Amino acid sequence: QQQVKQSPQSLIVQKGGISIINCAYENTAFDYFPWYQQFPGKGPALLIAIRPDVSEKKEGRFTISFNKSAKQFSLHIMDSQPGDSATYFCAASYSGTYKYIFGTGTRLKVLA
Amino acid sequence: DTEVTQTPKHLVMGMTNKKSLKCEQHMGHRAMYWYKQKAKKPPELMFVYSYEKLSINESVPSRFSPECPNSSLLNLHLHALQPEDSALYLCASSQVATPQETQYFGPGTRLLVL
Repeated sequence: QQQVKQSPQSLIVQKGGISIINCAYENTAFDYFPWYQQFPGKGPALLIAIRPDVSEKKEGRFTISFNKSAKQFSLHIMDSQPGDSATYFCAASYSGTYKYIFGTGTRLKVLA
Repeated sequence: DTEVTQTPKHLVMGMTNKKSLKCEQHMGHRAMYWYKQKAKKPPELMFVYSYEKLSINESVPSRFSPECPNSSLLNLHLHALQPEDSALYLCASSQVATPQETQYFGPGTRLLVL
């Protein structure tokens, strides 16, 4: 119940295309869903986050879509660029805890 | 300034050595974290400090010993490590110790235990 399942494991997208990464969870107590971006040799950095009271959040080219009934959320990267090539981790947490439950990660490669 | 710094960047140590990893932040954050990350895996939480007190120890072996000398510094003391402890060790900080607060990660220390 504490797992967050992330797919796909790897993704190759052409420059200008849309990258879509999906995550699913079981624990309905989760109330915060961040996405982290990690470049090789760097620590993860928060990209965008959402709470379950909204169905979508957009920041620039990055959008989180959230489906509470299906217990799924996804990251959409519009107009993908080679500089977006990185590993993306979804995560979930709930109030009263200190920790994130991370997904297994998606390695995105955007071809020039 | 949203930077978390970590030293050293790389560390090679034998199983009988004692070494320390250091982490520093000057954002006024009162929560600091140690994570371990294996290749192609997500970060795994090891320790959480809140207001310089150890709040969470995720069942980490005693060969890893954290220390928070003040609100800006976090150390991880290493002793008698095993080769399977080789990993990227990440430090992070946040305003306070709740997951809803953005955690800012450092670049990590890549540790190799021989």
